[in-house]
Amino acid sequence: NAGVTQTPKFQVLKTGQSMTLQCAQDMNHNSMYWYRQDPGMGLRLIYYSASEGTTDKGEVPNGYNVSRLNKREFSLRLESAAPSQTSVYFCASSEAGGVTEAFFGQGTRLTVV
Amino acid sequence: KNEVEQSPQNLTAQEGEFITINCSYSVGISALHWLQQHPGGGIVSLFMLSSGKKKHGRLIATINIQEKHSSLHITASHPRDSAVYICAVSSPMDSNYQLIWGAGTKLIIKP
Repeated sequence: NAGVTQTPKFQVLKTGQSMTLQCAQDMNHNSMYWYRQDPGMGLRLIYYSASEGTTDKGEVPNGYNVSRLNKREFSLRLESAAPSQTSVYFCASSEAGGVTEAFFGQGTRLTVV
Repeated sequence: KNEVEQSPQNLTAQEGEFITINCSYSVGISALHWLQQHPGGGIVSLFMLSSGKKKHGRLIATINIQEKHSSLHITASHPRDSAVYICAVSSPMDSNYQLIWGAGTKLIIKP
């Protein structure tokens, strides 16, 4: 019963480097999300995918790209990392948007130096 | 002004106390979520409700749609309940996909 799996759990990048955060869910959910959480702040939506084949910007999309590779997988890419992207990143999924229960991955702690 | 307001921001209580965390919202909603974030960082969904009341173990969630208010209660609180409790709503104004998040309530239960 894996639920939502994120990799990696920790990552340190140098400014300007790129990386992809991977997320996979095994619950056959239609909707998937990427959030960031900064110290002392709430979750902020970066991008979401309402269903396979669609992606939409959230509240803070600048500096990020996403790919809904298939129904299971939703990746988040930082093309040129900046110190302002130091944060904890969470992937989440739900069966059908915000009217269904959300399940979260364990988070990725990213530091950009 | 935040569309989802939680109170209190911080709450410290003794083990065994009855705990109430409040969530008020200003938008029309399709559903309201209560989630728990453990000190280690993991986020777990506790409840999703659109009316009435739900109970799971020592946790009870209620919602009053007319008053745009929800409460999360913890009975017989225990130190393991120490966590951040987060309220979030889905609104048809946002196509129900983008949850609107409260800032969270940090709860500490002392033994």
